[in-house]
Amino acid sequence: AQKVTQAQTEISVVEKEDVTLDCVYETRDTTYYLFWYKQPPSGELVFLIRRNSFDEQNEISGRYSWNFQKSTSSFNFTITASQVVDSAVYFCALSQEGSEKLVFGKGTKLTVNP
Amino acid sequence: GAVVSQHPSRVICKSGTSVKIECRSLDFQATTMFWYRQFPKQSLMLMATSNEGSKATYEQGVEKDKFLINHASLTLSTLTVTSAHPEDSSFYICSAIRDAEETQYFGPGTRLLVL
Repeated sequence: AQKVTQAQTEISVVEKEDVTLDCVYETRDTTYYLFWYKQPPSGELVFLIRRNSFDEQNEISGRYSWNFQKSTSSFNFTITASQVVDSAVYFCALSQEGSEKLVFGKGTKLTVNP
Repeated sequence: GAVVSQHPSRVICKSGTSVKIECRSLDFQATTMFWYRQFPKQSLMLMATSNEGSKATYEQGVEKDKFLINHASLTLSTLTVTSAHPEDSSFYICSAIRDAEETQYFGPGTRLLVL
């Protein structure tokens, strides 16, 4: 069975701090996909990244970076120099090849204070 | 980018009435769409998978006769909450997969309040 664990329920930081959101997953599949979505207070889920299981390269996009480590089954997300607009709930999700269903973690609520 | 819209964004209805929510993929065709339900401060719960031209596949515990799903075209799926009751009040979100991309793009959600 697939499972995604986001152990951090809520994180609060001050603007300009760096923050890392943890995501640990479980799957027996060799081919799978990992995702991060952002849900601001408005409610819409915004797609941030998709990573397949064969691509362990870390990725950087502006202030966002992702660290994928198969050895620890983790796909952590770091926001550098956080801003108030980064305040949202962030979901990590997993899907297996051949199934388009997503298994979501419970989400981490990030609050960035000015 | 991939844009998915939902209508209405917010609806208040009386108990016993039916409510239809539309989900549209605006700039791509979507063979597959999904319907989720989200309670406050909780994660998304998948309700059903909607496939164009065929019957929806419902997750365990979701009443198919209560939550009617129709996916009549490659850009439109509808969710009808029949005989709504206060316990159906929730945030309903749809998503659509852009073919060959294997990524779900989400709509802005619909807040349903049943009085």
